[in-house]
Amino acid sequence: GAVVSQHPSRVICKSGTSVKIECRSLDFQATTMFWYRQFPKQSLMLMATSNEGSKATYEQGVEKDKFLINHASLTLSTLTVTSAHPEDSSFYICSARERTSGGSPWGPSYNEQFFGPGTRLTVL
Amino acid sequence: ILNVEQSPQSLHVQEGDSTNFTCSFPSSNFYALHWYRWETAKSPEALFVMTLNGDEKKKGRISATLNTKEGYSYLYIKGSQPEDSATYLCAPYNFNKFYFGSGTKLNVKP
Repeated sequence: GAVVSQHPSRVICKSGTSVKIECRSLDFQATTMFWYRQFPKQSLMLMATSNEGSKATYEQGVEKDKFLINHASLTLSTLTVTSAHPEDSSFYICSARERTSGGSPWGPSYNEQFFGPGTRLTVL
Repeated sequence: ILNVEQSPQSLHVQEGDSTNFTCSFPSSNFYALHWYRWETAKSPEALFVMTLNGDEKKKGRISATLNTKEGYSYLYIKGSQPEDSATYLCAPYNFNKFYFGSGTKLNVKP
């Protein structure tokens, strides 16, 4: 199956620093990557959708200048949390959608996503 | 934003018990529903994609049903095993996005 890696798995940083999280599709080309955030006991909330070679689309309430997303290649997207503060402490997880050619068992309309294992960010 | 509710929030069962849990979602503008299984420290793993009212999918001891008219889906696990312990997420898919429930955390005791 499709594999997505995420690095780092855990990071602790001081308030005011910036943290970069990488999301890689290892064995497929991902035209679209999604970034989610999960606070304790809450659901995964979509932060932004990232298309290769274009600007990310942010969900309402997500500051684009604080959460910088770069999707420079078909296998890599990065999320940078700039000037992190304790309230940014959360679990961040990415997913990648394969470039569909119509041969997927799901059909091109279903757009299956493959998730990374997530990054636990703690800002002190 | 779609309001997706999963119940119960957590569930403790004995090995061998059968169990089920619920995902509720708005029935209007429905496109597809995904179920994921998420073990601790691992990536969420896709279980089922369901699109049609009355759909029923099965994978081994796990099965799921879908009612798009009333906006719910059930996930069933027959003869639970300790390795079934995980959080089960449902995610309606619409407007090119997934909307996740908060999940049902299943713990199967040997």
